[in-house]
Amino acid sequence: SQQGEEDPQALSIQEGENATMNCSYKTSINNLQWYRQNSGRGLVHLILIRSNEREKHSGRLRVTLDTSKKSSSLLITASRAADTASYFCATDDTGTASKLTFGTGTRLQVTL
Amino acid sequence: SAVISQKPSRDICQRGTSLTIQCQVDSQVTMMFWYRQQPGQSLTLIATANQGSEATYESGFVIDKFPISRPNLTFSTLTVSNMSPEDSSIYLCSVVAGRETQYFGPGTRLLVL
Repeated sequence: SQQGEEDPQALSIQEGENATMNCSYKTSINNLQWYRQNSGRGLVHLILIRSNEREKHSGRLRVTLDTSKKSSSLLITASRAADTASYFCATDDTGTASKLTFGTGTRLQVTL
Repeated sequence: SAVISQKPSRDICQRGTSLTIQCQVDSQVTMMFWYRQQPGQSLTLIATANQGSEATYESGFVIDKFPISRPNLTFSTLTVSNMSPEDSSIYLCSVVAGRETQYFGPGTRLLVL
């Protein structure tokens, strides 16, 4: 199994601070995706980064990918209380999203 | 993207009973999936729901326990059969839209007593 390992498992920060979450995986991938899950609800797709990309931005989100280290990071800048959620990385080695393997997740708590 | 709804959103069931979860998508999609998320855990793929043929199950999941129907390209059901407390989880359906991305439904939270 190439289930990703995410660290930290839990992260608590104050509003306005930046939050960084890391994901490591085991085998070659086609792309890596980040999802957010609010309190036991469905997953919201945040961003996809392909294996030939090194960095991608979307609003306050910045994702990096290092295929040589088999790792990715998600940075949330200027965090808000509404960012409180669990964040999961998911790897796709097919390029068709037909077989995603999810990481263990990071629980982010943003306090006022 | 795709808009996905699931019914029920949550349920409390007695052990030994069965529950059928429905997943409806607002557009026709080829690939549809069912996941289980046990308390405090990540997502585990149960099966791929194939339209017009039997679902493809992942290791550790069997059709007798999790029968799946996919009568058309916008709808699927997952049944959790003969439930035990260990089946208490969030069950999520997802679809592939836009080629590379899976989009998820809001999930069904199941508690088995």
